[in-house]
Amino acid sequence: NAGVTQTPKFQVLKTGQSMTLQCAQDMNHEYMSWYRQDPGMGLRLIHYSVGAGITDQGEVPNGYNVSRSTTEDFPLRLLSAAPSQTSVYFCASSSLAGYGYTFGSGTRLTVV
Amino acid sequence: GNSVTQMEGPVTLSEEAFLTINCTYTATGYPSLFWYVQYPGEGLQLLLKATKADDKGSNKGFEATYRKETTSFHLEKGSVQVSDSAVYFCALWGDTGRRALTFGSGTRLQVQP
Repeated sequence: NAGVTQTPKFQVLKTGQSMTLQCAQDMNHEYMSWYRQDPGMGLRLIHYSVGAGITDQGEVPNGYNVSRSTTEDFPLRLLSAAPSQTSVYFCASSSLAGYGYTFGSGTRLTVV
Repeated sequence: GNSVTQMEGPVTLSEEAFLTINCTYTATGYPSLFWYVQYPGEGLQLLLKATKADDKGSNKGFEATYRKETTSFHLEKGSVQVSDSAVYFCALWGDTGRRALTFGSGTRLQVQP
């Protein structure tokens, strides 16, 4: 009963490095999203997907890339890390539109 | 576009006090509304939801009623406990626009014994 699994839990990057945050769900959910959480700003949507092969931009997509080649996986790529991308990243999934998300436990990313 | 506005925190209460956290929204049509809770160091958990006007969501003693006329979904609890200390997020899933949740900025609740 894994739910939504995010890896890694913690990561430190140097400015300019690239990396991929992994997200996998085993509930056969169609809807998946990535959010970043910063103090006092709630959760802001980075990218989302409504099914395999379909992705779209959220509020703050710049500097991030996603793909959805399978229903289970929705990786988030940081192309060239910047200190402004220091944040906690959450992946979430849902079976139906408007049903409510199941969240992963988050990845705390620090860019130095 | 869709948006959610929550009252500023932190909210500090004594144990057994009554809790209200205000949430209002802007959206076209009939969004679904949610409250999520985040305990320290953890991810978000769904607390309750309502999918149509006048619905009341409830869970663990918390309640919220979907008020279309005032575009509100205020969270209430009659008697808070220290274990309720957390950050609470109001969110909506619109029936138009992005197919994802839109969140408010969160309200931190601190309950003192």
